[in-house]
Amino acid sequence: SQKIEQNSEALNIQEGKTATLTCNYTNYSPAYLQWYRQDPGRGPVFLLLIRENEKEKRKERLKVTFDTTLKQSLFHITASQPADSATYLCAQPQYNNNDMRFGAGTRLTVKP
Amino acid sequence: ETGVTQTPRHLVMGMTNKKSLKCEQHLGHNAMYWYKQSAKKPLELMFVYSLEERVENNSVPSRFSPECPNSSHLFLHLHTLQPEDSALYLCASSQTTGGTEAFFGQGTRLTVV
Repeated sequence: SQKIEQNSEALNIQEGKTATLTCNYTNYSPAYLQWYRQDPGRGPVFLLLIRENEKEKRKERLKVTFDTTLKQSLFHITASQPADSATYLCAQPQYNNNDMRFGAGTRLTVKP
Repeated sequence: ETGVTQTPRHLVMGMTNKKSLKCEQHLGHNAMYWYKQSAKKPLELMFVYSLEERVENNSVPSRFSPECPNSSHLFLHLHTLQPEDSALYLCASSQTTGGTEAFFGQGTRLTVV
């Protein structure tokens, strides 16, 4: 079955730097990928969706890329702030489109 | 607020108890989901409802029983749970089951003793 791997359990960076989080998948390429933010004790919040025919998507300080050759999506936060500290999840649909599978997440800490 | 409300926020229950988790959305969405989130594990999809019909059951034990009486409400009935069922249970909704963003509730932190 499809596997989604977020290869860093935790990432620590300094305020003002760019955070880059990775999401890799195996087997087939999904029609789209989603990224969510989750704060402790709360449900995930949707951030961005990128489709297979889009190489890049931006929203304010966020940028997502989708490389179907590498089977990888990168999530960037530029000019990072301590308020960006959270767990970031990538998600993609299974072949039947009913089943959204999530990666384990990367816990980002931005230090002042 | 995401527009998806879950109650209760916290629940402690014994292994012989019966309890229910409630989820409510007034976003006009047609799809609703139950997810389980255990420590250091990915979100696990449990059930998917589309237009009040269950379209997916991901091999969830029968001690978890979902109910979707209408498009705005989703329940998860619990009985004879095990301590390993302790987790954060998240409800989500989306416009349809494919290609649209999911809106999550705050979750119910369940502890089985």
